[in-house]
Amino acid sequence: AQSVTQPDIHITVSEGASLELRCNYSYGATPYLFWYVQSPGQGLQLLLKYFSGDTLVQGIKGFEAEFKRSQSSFNLRKPSVHWSDAAEYFCAVGTTSGTYKYIFGTGTRLKVLA
Amino acid sequence: DVKVTQSSRYLVKRTGEKVFLECVQDMDHENMFWYRQDPGLGLRLIYFSYDVKMKEKGDIPEGYSVSREKKERFSLILESASTNQTSMYLCASIGVLGLAGEQYFGPGTRLTVT
Repeated sequence: AQSVTQPDIHITVSEGASLELRCNYSYGATPYLFWYVQSPGQGLQLLLKYFSGDTLVQGIKGFEAEFKRSQSSFNLRKPSVHWSDAAEYFCAVGTTSGTYKYIFGTGTRLKVLA
Repeated sequence: DVKVTQSSRYLVKRTGEKVFLECVQDMDHENMFWYRQDPGLGLRLIYFSYDVKMKEKGDIPEGYSVSREKKERFSLILESASTNQTSMYLCASIGVLGLAGEQYFGPGTRLTVT
């Protein structure tokens, strides 16, 4: 069955430090992968997506993610974190199991220290 | 600017009440979703609709029903609210129901059932 795993529930980094959020997926075919961010009191906003082509994907707010098929991973990175990046981050995979739908990971909550 | 709105940000209901959660999108999207978000569980799909009067069960439809009488509006109904339905409810819409499509989310309704 398709699944998405985000192994880190909470991550704390200092402002200006680099960030990597991990995401592993289980899916038989070529995956369609997404990263969303949820700021406090807000809905989810798409950061970036991958479905083909270059395995390094650029998104909004200075984020990027790299698709590694051999590791079944789609990790999110940012070279220098800003205090406004404090939020919850969700990885998701699009699936055609039965019909189109999206499976979300359990989320990683990011705290940024000033 | 695309927009998905939900009728209430916060809602408190009593056990056994019938509860309606409303979602409206202004993007002329055909596909709409209702998710439930709980800590440690991420987003779980309750129902989705790919056209007016059409609906499909998601992963956790028990205790819920939906209504889609107009393209822009998708309602989630708790027939008889129970305390285990206390949660954050998120509505989303997507124009192209393909795996590369971006879902647009509303701000969420935090429902408390007492």
